[in-house]
Amino acid sequence: QKEVEQNSGPLSVPEGAIASLNCTYSDRVSQSFFWYRQYSGKSPELIMSIYSNGDKEDGRFTAQLNKASQYVSLLIRDSQPSDSATYLCAVYSSASKIIFGSGTRLSIRP
Amino acid sequence: DAEITQSPRHKITETGRQVTLACHQTWNHNNMFWYRQDLGHGLRLIHYSYGVQDTNKGEVSDGYSVSRSNTEDLPLTLESAASSQTSVYFCASSESPQMNTEAFFGQGTRLTVV
Repeated sequence: QKEVEQNSGPLSVPEGAIASLNCTYSDRVSQSFFWYRQYSGKSPELIMSIYSNGDKEDGRFTAQLNKASQYVSLLIRDSQPSDSATYLCAVYSSASKIIFGSGTRLSIRP
Repeated sequence: DAEITQSPRHKITETGRQVTLACHQTWNHNNMFWYRQDLGHGLRLIHYSYGVQDTNKGEVSDGYSVSRSNTEDLPLTLESAASSQTSVYFCASSESPQMNTEAFFGQGTRLTVV
């Protein structure tokens, strides 16, 4: 079992709709969770971090964490073409190393 | 502004050669990480360090080594380059093992082994 799992996609969403990205992790002791966005040929950039159960909102982005289910999600409201990218879920493991999922490719269609 | 820089940005080398990729950060972060990224695999951890003189193996460490002689730098060495090590390499840093805060990435190094 991979430590961090994501659906590789591609996920195609119409412009203006809500994009929902999901991630599960295996280390129950993990305390810190991150979503990164990566455009083709670029380095990952942080979008959201979340440390406690529940929802965290930042503009059009909402991160959701459920530690009991070992599940993290990212919602993108009012999706824009500029949101088309690969989204990487990352987890700080109990060994204080950051483990990434394989990423979900998101495509926003006009 | 604090930053993390990698060099070179692009490198072509021959099979069997030793190659060193540089990573330098001015955040004064204790944690530094090296990842490789290949299609379909996301970012896979090669080596990481919690501070000076500390190094640890990640999930794909075979054929790679690192050393941490100061806070700012974590060079990655490929002992004898192989075609399977053709990849994009990213260096990252974060505050400390106790803080578990986000990592910041360098621009990446595209390495081709021929």
